[in-house]
Amino acid sequence: GENVEQHPSTLSVQEGDSAVIKCTYSDSASNYFPWYKQELGKRPQLIIDIRSNVGEKKDQRIAVTLNKTAKHFSLHITETQPEDSAVYFCAAITYGGSQGNLIFGKGTKLSVKP
Amino acid sequence: DTEVTQTPKHLVMGMTNKKSLKCEQHMGHRAMYWYKQKAKKPPELMFVYSYEKLSINESVPSRFSPECPNSSLLNLHLHALQPEDSALYLCASSQQQGLSEAFFGQGTRLTVV
Repeated sequence: GENVEQHPSTLSVQEGDSAVIKCTYSDSASNYFPWYKQELGKRPQLIIDIRSNVGEKKDQRIAVTLNKTAKHFSLHITETQPEDSAVYFCAAITYGGSQGNLIFGKGTKLSVKP
Repeated sequence: DTEVTQTPKHLVMGMTNKKSLKCEQHMGHRAMYWYKQKAKKPPELMFVYSYEKLSINESVPSRFSPECPNSSLLNLHLHALQPEDSALYLCASSQQQGLSEAFFGQGTRLTVV
């Protein structure tokens, strides 16, 4: 089955700096990679996603890159703000497999210091 | 409407109680999910329903019993739970199983005493 590794587990940055979170996956058939942000006591919310036919996707200050050969994908947040502080989860879905569901990484707690 | 609605938001129950968690979506999604999330951990998949049929049961104890009455509703029936079952229970839905993003409800914070 799919296994998703996520690093680092905690990340502290100064406001305005960039933050990078990295994930690797094991199933080469995986083809969809969402990122979720979860604030304390709230639901996970999708912030950006990428499919396996795309190498990079941007949405304002957030970008995701995918390297299919190396089986890793990364979240990049530029010009971080205190409201970016949250736990971020990467995930992978295998298309057409018996386990067509989200497999989450263990999460990264991002703290942005003013 | 991009909402997944869960009730109740909070639930405290004794180990001999029977209770139910409810989830509703009106986005026309045909896959619905139950996840369990403990503090500082990622959501763990419990059950998947696809077109109102149970598709995945991730070896969940029988004290948790899912039910999908129709394409918009998903229930989780609870009976004889243990204190270690205390967690945030998240419902999610997606257009179809495993093909697109999942939208999460706000969760039910369950405490078993």
